[in-house]
Amino acid sequence: DAGITQSPRHKVTETGTPVTLRCHQTENHRYMYWYRQDPGHGLRLIHYSYGVKDTDKGEVSDGYSVSRSKTEDFLLTLESATSSQTSVYFCAISAPDRLPEQFFGPGTRLTVL
Amino acid sequence: AQSVAQPEDQVNVAEGNPLTVKCTYSVSGNPYLFWYVQYPNRGLQFLLKYITGDNLVKGSYGFEAEFNKSQTSFHLKKPSALVSDSALYFCAVSETRNTGGFKTIFGAGTRLFVKA
Repeated sequence: DAGITQSPRHKVTETGTPVTLRCHQTENHRYMYWYRQDPGHGLRLIHYSYGVKDTDKGEVSDGYSVSRSKTEDFLLTLESATSSQTSVYFCAISAPDRLPEQFFGPGTRLTVL
Repeated sequence: AQSVAQPEDQVNVAEGNPLTVKCTYSVSGNPYLFWYVQYPNRGLQFLLKYITGDNLVKGSYGFEAEFNKSQTSFHLKKPSALVSDSALYFCAVSETRNTGGFKTIFGAGTRLFVKA
């Protein structure tokens, strides 16, 4: 999977708790993305990063924040998890010589009770 | 604003028959078009892309797609389906961002079921 790992792979949490998902890449690529996948919606972009400490919002960013303090790691935080954030979360990266093709991680299945 | 439509939630085909998974798009400039495939409990995998050039694009696992500018379509095709092609297929369209890189919109996905 193109040198991308996500942790944890599965998580169950309760409403109102903070949750952080981690994406780690070994490719040293500049662009990283967080998506959520829900039935009937395909993938929707939450946040993306175009460099260390450079991030921007996607189409479904409410309730989420991100941080990127080094090239290889892109963290997604649900500040106060809600049941509507139950989803499968995918991280992706783009290689500069193959833009805009994206390579995806294995995903994190998050359940908010 | 860019958009992607996959009009079929599911496509059923018999093994050995040709398959088509449909995709139409809307984008303001020149489109960058993609197909990705997702197998159960896996991330998306790149199949093929159209950036420029020949309208018929060939990709992985024997798949191809035809770019039709007048119909704003990018249908995925394969001459002879395999049971192992059963998966979830996503069409995507990208356009450039002001911050560099690209903004990509994905369709809702089409589940392909190939019966033996």
